[in-house]
Amino acid sequence: QKEVEQDPGPLSVPEGAIVSLNCTYSNSAFQYFMWYRQYSRKGPELLMYTYSSGNKEDGRFTAQVDKSSKYISLFIRDSQPSDSATYLCAMSTSGGSNYKLTFGKGTLLTVNP
Amino acid sequence: DGGITQSPKYLFRKEGQNVTLSCEQNLNHDAMYWYRQDPGQGLRLIYYSQIVNDFQKGDIAEGYSVSREKKESFPLTVTSAQKNPTAFYLCASSIFQGGGYTFGSGTRLTVV
Repeated sequence: QKEVEQDPGPLSVPEGAIVSLNCTYSNSAFQYFMWYRQYSRKGPELLMYTYSSGNKEDGRFTAQVDKSSKYISLFIRDSQPSDSATYLCAMSTSGGSNYKLTFGKGTLLTVNP
Repeated sequence: DGGITQSPKYLFRKEGQNVTLSCEQNLNHDAMYWYRQDPGQGLRLIYYSQIVNDFQKGDIAEGYSVSREKKESFPLTVTSAQKNPTAFYLCASSIFQGGGYTFGSGTRLTVV
């Protein structure tokens, strides 16, 4: 079983739809959870950062972490064509000198006007 | 503005030649990382460094080499021993305490 599983899609939605992106993981020691957005031929950019379980909201984006189910989600409300990108989940066990992220393979999202 | 600069953006090399990809950061981050990204494969870790003059192999280090002589710089050399070097290469940095990685804009290497 891979440490982090992410459905690669592709996912295609109409403009204004609510988008749900998900990752599951197997390592119960993960504590830090992130979502990155990557436009074509660009480097990933950090979108959301959460610690432990719970929800975090930033504008149209909401990140949810359910550690009991080992499941994280990213919701995008009122999706826009500019949201079209690959979304990568990432997680880490801890900070400190051995800090290293484990990434999902990414989900390709297209928002159609 | 603080950030990570990767150069060049595009790089073409003949098979059998070594090539060095540049990565410079002015974020005062301690750790730096090199990833390779291929379609359908996600991000694969090549090398990482947590302090100057020290680095560790990642999951796919064979055919690559790095150095960390300065905190700001972490160049990657793709050697002729790398069997399939054509890929998109990403450099990243972070602080020890977490907070995610900051990525560069990437170098697309094509070997012909």
